[in-house]
Amino acid sequence: GQSLEQPSEVTAVEGAIVQINCTYQTSGFYGLSWYQQHDGGAPTFLSYNALDGLEETGRFSSFLSRSDSYGYLLLQELQMKDSASYFCAGRNSGNTPLVFGKGTRLSVIA
Amino acid sequence: DVKVTQSSRYLVKRTGEKVFLECVQDMDHENMFWYRQDPGLGLRLIYFSYDVKMKEKGDIPEGYSVSREKKERFSLILESASTNQTSMYLCASRLDRDEGEKLFFGSGTQLSVL
Repeated sequence: GQSLEQPSEVTAVEGAIVQINCTYQTSGFYGLSWYQQHDGGAPTFLSYNALDGLEETGRFSSFLSRSDSYGYLLLQELQMKDSASYFCAGRNSGNTPLVFGKGTRLSVIA
Repeated sequence: DVKVTQSSRYLVKRTGEKVFLECVQDMDHENMFWYRQDPGLGLRLIYFSYDVKMKEKGDIPEGYSVSREKKERFSLILESASTNQTSMYLCASRLDRDEGEKLFFGSGTQLSVL
């Protein structure tokens, strides 16, 4: 099965860069996804890495290294509105549902 | 945009009651999921369905059942609610297994069992 580990909390300063790491253990692996959830809101899809390397979407980037069973989400030019919980997620194969990490709560401070 | 609607935002029930949580999606998605979210535990999968009248157990199905009679609707049933089922329940859908990474979530139902 899948097991994904990520830090529980991260604090960073407005305008800075922050990296949220995710390591996984799985018998198979289909790629790594990232979701954002603001307090009281629904999780929303941010990005997906099927292959090794960096995927960039505006201020957010996501990285995957299959050989290291590791990925990260990089947030640049942090804004107060980026304060939220971030979840990494993965699945074993095309037929299995997503399994989520426990989430990282990001606090952006002035 | 895809819309996933959960029938109640907040729900308070008593121990032993039968509870129905309803979820409807409007984009003809094949797959639907029920997760529960608890502080420090993240999102845990209860049940999922890849097609009408199909259902499969997730990681924590005990105490729950589901129903999917129509493609757009996926119901979660607590047969006899218990206090340890107090939680935030999130419904999600996705187009199909080939679009497996992109789930669309509802706003959640915060259930309190007293």
